[in-house]
Amino acid sequence: KAGVTQTPRYLIKTRGQQVTLSCSPISGHRSVSWYQQTPGQGLQFLFEYFSETQRNKGNFPGRFSGRQFSNSRSEMNVSTLELGDSALYLCASSLARNPGAGEQYFGPGTRLTVT
Amino acid sequence: QKEVEQNSGPLSVPEGAIASLNCTYSDRGSQSFFWYRQYSGKSPELIMSIYSNGDKEDGRFTAQLNKASQYVSLLIRDSQPSDSATYLCAVKGNFNKFYFGSGTKLNVKP
Repeated sequence: KAGVTQTPRYLIKTRGQQVTLSCSPISGHRSVSWYQQTPGQGLQFLFEYFSETQRNKGNFPGRFSGRQFSNSRSEMNVSTLELGDSALYLCASSLARNPGAGEQYFGPGTRLTVT
Repeated sequence: QKEVEQNSGPLSVPEGAIASLNCTYSDRGSQSFFWYRQYSGKSPELIMSIYSNGDKEDGRFTAQLNKASQYVSLLIRDSQPSDSATYLCAVKGNFNKFYFGSGTKLNVKP
């Protein structure tokens, strides 16, 4: 079974621009979560989508948004990029319907560099 | 106080030894606990999940959970150089959010 895929793998953007990242979950998985990973802050939860609905959100500003499509694919958008948004953005998918359980499987990530 | 605390290491063990990785969490209501391994430049890979008190074994890996002490650990028996990586503890806490520790770097010396 194919794993979680993320595109693009690498991205370089300029401050003030916006960016859209894409994630395709493991076949049959309907939950998709997004994380930001930086050396200083570690892995931080952005949001989770299940059946096209955002059912959980982390403590990130409104510049960070996401959505999920009917085929469970998800996109994450960051507007008005700042230097501090440079990070590895990871997508994880899960089979669990119950948000209280469920093992998450990570994609390879998108490395975003903001200059 | 962080939701999940791990010693950043590095933890160095000789090949063949037992590596013991520890994690504490703050949300007493947490129900789901996970260990991930992350090689440098790669994404986290799920190793173990544990949901109830006690030990859970999978090959060379044993996860231990003590909810009363809010403590999770991972033991790696017969450590190999290929086990050298950063190990992340993850806890699903309040409001069903995942919280990750900052990770413990493990070095297994041949």
